[in-house]
Amino acid sequence: ELRLLESGGGLVQPGGSLRLSCAASGFTFSSYAMIWVRQAPGKGLEWVSGISNSGGSTYHADSVKGRFTISRDNSKNTLFLQMNSLRAEDTAIYYCAKTIGYYYYYDMDVWGQGTTVTVSS
Amino acid sequence: QSALTQPASVSGSPGQSITISCTGTSSDVGGYNYVSWYQQHPGKAPKLMISDVSNRPSGVSDRFSGSKSGNTASLTISGLQAEDEADYYCSSYTSSSPRVFGGGTKVTVL
Repeated sequence: ELRLLESGGGLVQPGGSLRLSCAASGFTFSSYAMIWVRQAPGKGLEWVSGISNSGGSTYHADSVKGRFTISRDNSKNTLFLQMNSLRAEDTAIYYCAKTIGYYYYYDMDVWGQGTTVTVSS
Repeated sequence: QSALTQPASVSGSPGQSITISCTGTSSDVGGYNYVSWYQQHPGKAPKLMISDVSNRPSGVSDRFSGSKSGNTASLTISGLQAEDEADYYCSSYTSSSPRVFGGGTKVTVL
């Protein structure tokens, strides 16, 4: 069974940092690009960050550029999102998702259950 | 990158057909055949329903179909069922970013 399991969410003060993880199983992790998508409370989906299958290419949305860093460890089948300088507007459920190809512009066919990040003092 | 434009809500009776529109520009929807649709039930993760404008992934009901004309893509749900009540999001490749989502459409089965 294809599975993605996020962890690392929680409550953090504005300006703080968090590192999200996403453990993958049931597929050849190193063959697929991976994505982080977030959803603020009561709002729609926002594409946040993407990384190619090898990890050699990444992309971050303008809203998080310079603050968030996506990375992956193919030897451990794990995706990461390092979030620094967090703001209240970063409060959301963060989903990791597998794409259908090796590059991050592909569609996302497997999603995790999400991990909640709350930025508040 | 601005979000794609979707109607906030669409409703229909069981058995009817409904269509959800997704309007962009020539830099996204109109310029590429990389439009997809996701279904999201409350409290659940999104599910890919349509990729590349009109392709249905394995396991997705054939009651769901996608199309595109100019800068507007559409998702049609035929034979509407109670289980189709959910939020639906379109997504497109763009010339300036890998992907952008629409604002979402809430489908209500009357």
